[in-house]
Amino acid sequence: EAGVAQSPRYKIIEKRQSVAFWCNPISGHATLYWYQQILGQGPKLLIQFQNNGVVDDSQLPKDRFSAERLKGVDSTLKIQPAKLEDSAVYLCASSFRGTGELFFGEGSRLTVL
Amino acid sequence: DAKTTQPNSMESNEEEPVHLPCNHSTISGTDYIHWYRQLPSQGPEYVIHGLTSNVNNRMASLAIAEDRKSSTLILHRATLRDAAVYYCILRDSGGGADGLTFGKGTHLIIQP
Repeated sequence: EAGVAQSPRYKIIEKRQSVAFWCNPISGHATLYWYQQILGQGPKLLIQFQNNGVVDDSQLPKDRFSAERLKGVDSTLKIQPAKLEDSAVYLCASSFRGTGELFFGEGSRLTVL
Repeated sequence: DAKTTQPNSMESNEEEPVHLPCNHSTISGTDYIHWYRQLPSQGPEYVIHGLTSNVNNRMASLAIAEDRKSSTLILHRATLRDAAVYYCILRDSGGGADGLTFGKGTHLIIQP
C-alpha cells in the first residue's frame, strides 16, 4: 500500500516569498491533517479536513497560511508571505476515519532566510 | 485535549526491555491513550493505543494503570532501530475535531 506522499521534500526561500506544499493521502482516507514541526518540538496541528470540508483550523495563522482540499483527495498548504519563524517541517497525515490511526508522510522541510 | 507528562529522555541498552512512562492525571472517560514514535528525519508512526485494558501488538505492549492516570509503553527487546522520540497522546473518542496534540515526547537512546 502506498503511503502518504508529500512534495517537495526540501525548500529554501527568502522571507516575504511564497511557498506551497502538496500532499496526496493514502487512497480511501477521508481525513487529512497538516502539521507544523519546529526543530526540537512535537508536531502542531494546523488544519484538519474531512473529505473537502474543514473540521478544525483553529491553529492555522490565517493571515499568511491557507490550505485547500478541493476534490477531497490531495491537498495544498500555502504560506504567503513567509516569515523566518515559519522555518519548520510541514507534515501531512491521513486516516481512514477521524478516530483511526494517523499515517504520516515524510514531511517537507522549509527554510526561510 | 488533556495533557500528558513524559520524561525528556531515557537511555537503555540494546536487547533489553524498555519501559516508557506517561502521566495523564486529567484524563477523561472518553480519552484513548495513544503512542506514536518518530524516527530521525521521518514523520511520526503509530505504535499502539488503548482505553482501559492492557494491549499488546507486534511492536509493543501498553500497560494502563487501574485509575487510568498513568500508562507505560513497553518495548520488550529494544534494538538500535527503536531509537526515536516517543509521544504519549490522549485522544477523545467523540469524533469531530480529533487531530492529535503532540507534546515534546521522550527521546529514547539505545546503546549498543
